[in-house]
Amino acid sequence: SYELTQPPSVSVSPGQTARITCSGDALPNHYVSWYQQRPGQAPVLVIFKDTERPPGIPERFSGSSSGSAVTLTISGVQAVDEADYYCQSADTTDSSLVFGGGTKLTVL
Amino acid sequence: QVQLVQSGSEVKKPGSLVKVSCKASGGTFKSYAVGWVRQAPGQGLEWMGGILPVLGSPTYAPELQGRVTITTDESTSTAYLELRTLTAADTAVYYCAREGRYSSNWAMVHFNYWGQGTLVTVSS
Repeated sequence: SYELTQPPSVSVSPGQTARITCSGDALPNHYVSWYQQRPGQAPVLVIFKDTERPPGIPERFSGSSSGSAVTLTISGVQAVDEADYYCQSADTTDSSLVFGGGTKLTVL
Repeated sequence: QVQLVQSGSEVKKPGSLVKVSCKASGGTFKSYAVGWVRQAPGQGLEWMGGILPVLGSPTYAPELQGRVTITTDESTSTAYLELRTLTAADTAVYYCAREGRYSSNWAMVHFNYWGQGTLVTVSS
């Protein structure tokens, strides 16, 4: 079955830039969305269509795409950004969705 | 603002079925994709399936095909997830989610709105 691959963990100090990658064979032809999930809470959409930011999401969240990989970038990381982040896209048949395994962002 | 409110926690016996509801307020499911996502304890998000209105029929994750049914009731703005033949591996928090804008295919879908989650525990 189709998979999206994320690093299990990323650690940064406050004020630094965090980059979380998501890779998959079908990504050159599919949009990716990113979700933030804090412990005990439902996911929150932070990026959709690779680079677009929903209303209310801070400008420090941005997305980029290059070939088979997309990147969620959090600039000027704050303690409140510590959470799990998941990428989501469609599978190779466009008939279903798939989530990446998730990346735990730790703010040191 | 769309809000999704899910039914309460459930404890089920192995082999039984569970039905979880998701009621929308401030909006409907009529023109927007609705999906169900689950998260086992300490694990990541798992796509279970959903309905994209323009396509008509539901789509399900291959590994759940045959055990899961997703429906919507437009008269009550409620979506339902039914999962049958439960095992301990189905113990998880189940989330409903709805997109914020119309999509014509699953490749365009992203979820702006999420329910609060429903814990389903399968135990003998």
